[in-house]
Amino acid sequence: KQEVTQIPAALSVPEGENLVLNCSFTDSAIYNLQWFRQDPGKGLTSLLLIQSSQREQTSGRLNASLDKSSGRSTLYIAASQPGDSATYLCAVSGAGSYQLTFGKGTKLSVIP
Amino acid sequence: DTGVSQNPRHKITKRGQNVTFRCDPISEHNRLYWYRQTLGQGPEFLTYFQNEAQLEKSRLLSDRFSAERPKGSFSTLEIQRTEQGDSAMYLCASSTRTSGAVNTGELFFGEGSRLTVL
Repeated sequence: KQEVTQIPAALSVPEGENLVLNCSFTDSAIYNLQWFRQDPGKGLTSLLLIQSSQREQTSGRLNASLDKSSGRSTLYIAASQPGDSATYLCAVSGAGSYQLTFGKGTKLSVIP
Repeated sequence: DTGVSQNPRHKITKRGQNVTFRCDPISEHNRLYWYRQTLGQGPEFLTYFQNEAQLEKSRLLSDRFSAERPKGSFSTLEIQRTEQGDSAMYLCASSTRTSGAVNTGELFFGEGSRLTVL
């Protein structure tokens, strides 16, 4: 059974800092990996999707990497802003399955 | 494109009552998913539709839960005889289908329907 772990569970940084969020998964036979953002009481917003054959994806100040063999992904946020404060969730889909397995998320607070 | 729409946004009910949630996916998306999320946890997969066919169901989806997607458009999730443990956020997502591939589409989530069972 696939398990996804996100470390740290919470992170507080001053505005302007670069930061890295970590995601690990137990079964490397994944089809893709997605990073989402969730604001309190809201739904999920997709940030980046990495196919299993890819190593990284970039969107604006966000960069996500994938090392499938070691079961790890990182989300790099450059020049953090208070508006980046949210919970960031990592999810993987297995080959042949339509379901995403999520981690519990990292709650990010960016202090002005 | 108005995104994934879910109704109602909030529902408070008494234990033992039935509740129904509705999801309207993005119009051109033929894949639709239901997830459940409790406080401090990541979403858990419940079920998946491709067009009107329900192709996958989680063991979390007990006999009290039923989902439908008539005509492959909107979907409903009904919970019968609600229990306090059913209190959660119910999330709907949709994605496009890439020919010959499985689950390559980016998932777009709605704002969720929050259920509170008293």
